[in-house]
Amino acid sequence: EIVLTQSPGTLSLSPGNTATLSCRASPILSIKYLAWYHQKPGQAPRLLIYGTSNRATGIPDRFSGSGSGTDFTLTINRLEPEDFAVYYCHQYGNSPYTFGQGTKLQIQ
Amino acid sequence: QITLKESGPTLVKPTQTLTLTCSFSGFSLTTSGVGVAWIRQPPGKALEWLATIYWDDQRRYNPSLESRLTSTKDTSKHHVVLRMTSMDPVDTGTYYCAHTSGIRGSYRQYMDVWGQGTTVIVSS
Repeated sequence: EIVLTQSPGTLSLSPGNTATLSCRASPILSIKYLAWYHQKPGQAPRLLIYGTSNRATGIPDRFSGSGSGTDFTLTINRLEPEDFAVYYCHQYGNSPYTFGQGTKLQIQ
Repeated sequence: QITLKESGPTLVKPTQTLTLTCSFSGFSLTTSGVGVAWIRQPPGKALEWLATIYWDDQRRYNPSLESRLTSTKDTSKHHVVLRMTSMDPVDTGTYYCAHTSGIRGSYRQYMDVWGQGTTVIVSS
């Protein structure tokens, strides 16, 4: 099973700042099969990025994904109020498909 | 526009079988490359993938729960059903279904459109 470890657990930033979220995979994962979602309280998750770096439909270019092997990153530029949520990475390359434990992005 | 909606009982007793239905529109589960996944989330915790059923009726289950899960589809009625046996209080949480997509013909698929989720509480 591929374990995804996200860091930090909580990230406190102000609107306008840049957020950098990390997802570490163990063991190694193909870049084809890493996705990112965010989830606001009381809502379903929403797809942001798939295949490590491809933005989903309707996702602004402030969101970007990168990485390979065991280390993957989601970067959010120019944070807006609606970006504050919990972010999950997800690997769909090897069953069981797994999620990280989440990073909570909160307003400082 | 793709939409999905989960339905089922809110309260189930321990040892009972949970049956959830995912009703969808905007796509066909006979189209090559399409799938519907089930994911759950205990209160305040992370997401857990449960199962995926694909266009060709292939199924993948989380090995940790495989003995308890059955996923079926009714393409004419546009819905997918998930059955989970031997329910326990630790199974309490929100259950989501989601449309999945991936590289053409691959079973390795991400969840691109989610339902709103349905709450399941396991308690006597």
